[in-house]
Amino acid sequence: EERLVESGGGLVQPGGSLRLTCSASGLTLSSHRMSWVRQTPGKGLEWVAHIREDGSESNYVDSVKGRFTISRDNAKNIAYLQMNSLRVEDTSVYYCATGGHYYGLWGQGTLVTVSS
Amino acid sequence: EIVLTQSPDTLSLSPGERATLSCRASQNVGIFLAWYQQKPGQAPRLFIYDESNRAPGIPDRFSASGSGTDFTLTIRRLEPEDFAVYFCQQYLHSPWTFGQGTKVEIK
Repeated sequence: EERLVESGGGLVQPGGSLRLTCSASGLTLSSHRMSWVRQTPGKGLEWVAHIREDGSESNYVDSVKGRFTISRDNAKNIAYLQMNSLRVEDTSVYYCATGGHYYGLWGQGTLVTVSS
Repeated sequence: EIVLTQSPDTLSLSPGERATLSCRASQNVGIFLAWYQQKPGQAPRLFIYDESNRAPGIPDRFSASGSGTDFTLTIRRLEPEDFAVYFCQQYLHSPWTFGQGTKVEIK
């Protein structure tokens, strides 16, 4: 069974950092572009970042540019989202998903709460 | 940024009825539109991509149509497991954006 599992979420103060991890099983991540999408009750679903299969190129939504970094380790079948300078408005459930345009497989999500 | 507006916000129907969900884009997105279903406590699940292609495992009672700025997701005869929230998403113009969702609830 193909599965993505996110981890690394939690409570962090404004200005802090977190690294989210997306671990894949039952599929080879190197065959897929990978994305992070977040969801809040108020703002809905928002694409955050995506990265090419080989990690050669990545793109970000403007609100996280310069603060978030998406990366991958295909040998470990893992994708990451490094989040720095976190803001209250980054509070969301963060999902990793396969695909760089539409998203065929999603993880269960990990909650990031930014609060003092 | 392209804004996707879904209507209605909530659709109250009975099992066996037909559901018609709308997604309108603020600019032309061609056929680059997807639909997702989300149930409480779960991640979204891809149902439709490239405007009208069903994802693997999606039953044929689900169909989608449209192009440009106006899109429709139709559920031919609602089954109990179809009651959920449905989101559209465009992926022609970066940043990819989602609609706010339509909740299909049991009447």
